Amino acid sequence: QVQLRESGPGLVRPSETLSLTCTVSGVSININDYYWGWVRQPPGKGLEWIGNVFHSGTSFYNPSLKSRGSMSADTSNNQFSLRLTSVTAADTAVYFCARKVNDAFDVWGQGIMVTVSS
Amino acid sequence: QSAVTQPASVSGSPGQSITISCSGTSSDIGGSDLVSWYQQHPGKAPKLLIFEGTKRPSGVSNRFSGSISDNTASLTISGLQAEDEADYYCCSFAGTDTLWVFGGGTKLTVL
Repeated sequence: QVQLRESGPGLVRPSETLSLTCTVSGVSININDYYWGWVRQPPGKGLEWIGNVFHSGTSFYNPSLKSRGSMSADTSNNQFSLRLTSVTAADTAVYFCARKVNDAFDVWGQGIMVTVSS
Repeated sequence: QSAVTQPASVSGSPGQSITISCSGTSSDIGGSDLVSWYQQHPGKAPKLLIFEGTKRPSGVSNRFSGSISDNTASLTISGLQAEDEADYYCCSFAGTDTLWVFGGGTKLTVL
């Protein structure tokens, strides 16, 4: 059974860097069929695609992030990560990690709430 | 940036069928069949219902079906049940610059 679990701090100060990790179990992130992605959801609002990363490290981002986002894959620990720099209150959201296959996100983590506040 | 548009809300009675639309342009929905649909209950992670416009993952009820016509994708739910009350999101490939875009979501109320 494939499972994803997000981890990281629940509170980040404005202008600092948000760092989250997604630990994958039940499947290797090294499989070429899959990309691994991040999606966020501000409180009471809709879903927003953040970016995807391949096990090689190749990554793609939502242009609305204005180059603040970066993602990486750690195949030895079967994890992938998100870093978002210069955060503001607008980055407060539930952050989901998910597996992408057949151009859709088929398995999701439970989500982690991240609040940006001083 | 590309945007795809969904109605804010729809409603239906148990046993009825409803359709949720996802309207885009030739740059996104009209440019490919790469549309997926997700169901999200409050406080839960989204669940994949439809991928590549019309395909259902294993385990998803055949009461859920998807279609694409021109620049609009649609999700139809037949035989509405109380458990279908949730938020529904479409997601489309939007070209090599924007890549992936979600619709704003539709709240389904089962009356």
